[in-house]
Amino acid sequence: AQRVTQPEKLLSVFKGAPVELKCNYSYSGSPELFWYVQYSRQRLQLLLRHISRESIKGFTADLNKGETSFHLKKPFAQEEDSAMYYCALSNQGAQKLVFGQGTRLTINP
Amino acid sequence: DTGVSQNPRHKITKRGQNVTFRCDPISEHNRLYWYRQTLGQGPEFLTYFQNEAQLEKSRLLSDRFSAERPKGSFSTLEIQRTEQGDSAMYLCASSHLATPVYEQYFGPGTRLTVT
Repeated sequence: AQRVTQPEKLLSVFKGAPVELKCNYSYSGSPELFWYVQYSRQRLQLLLRHISRESIKGFTADLNKGETSFHLKKPFAQEEDSAMYYCALSNQGAQKLVFGQGTRLTINP
Repeated sequence: DTGVSQNPRHKITKRGQNVTFRCDPISEHNRLYWYRQTLGQGPEFLTYFQNEAQLEKSRLLSDRFSAERPKGSFSTLEIQRTEQGDSAMYLCASSHLATPVYEQYFGPGTRLTVT
């Protein structure tokens, strides 16, 4: 069964500190992994995907198939990064996203 | 605003009543998705449509739930004989046929409270 686990419901760091949001998944095939973000009073939106290997708003995420992880990292947190973050996966060709429970990130000034 | 819209935004109902939610996707988006999000959890897939055809339904979608997209434009999600466990945020998303699954545009959601 496909499953995404985000072990931290809440994460609080100070501005300028590094941040890492953890995501582990279980899937037997070759999943595609994504991070979605929901800022206060805004809609859920895509942040980044593992295939593109891009940096968005300073965030990066590396897919580690050995550890079945897709942790989201940013070297220097900013106050505007405060939001709810969801890790998600899909199997190739499917029209279904499986989301983790979410981590609420708070950046303290 | 040309994004996905959902109505109503909030609904409070008594247990046993029927409720219906509406989702208007982005114009020309062929695919439409429904998700349910309970407190402290991420969105859970319920069902999706490609034009007017309902192509996949989750086991979460019990017999009390029915979704339609009669003309391939807006969609409705009906819950019959609501239960307290149905209290959740119901999210709608849409995408174009030619785009990958991750390029879904989400609506603001309808928050259902069953008392």
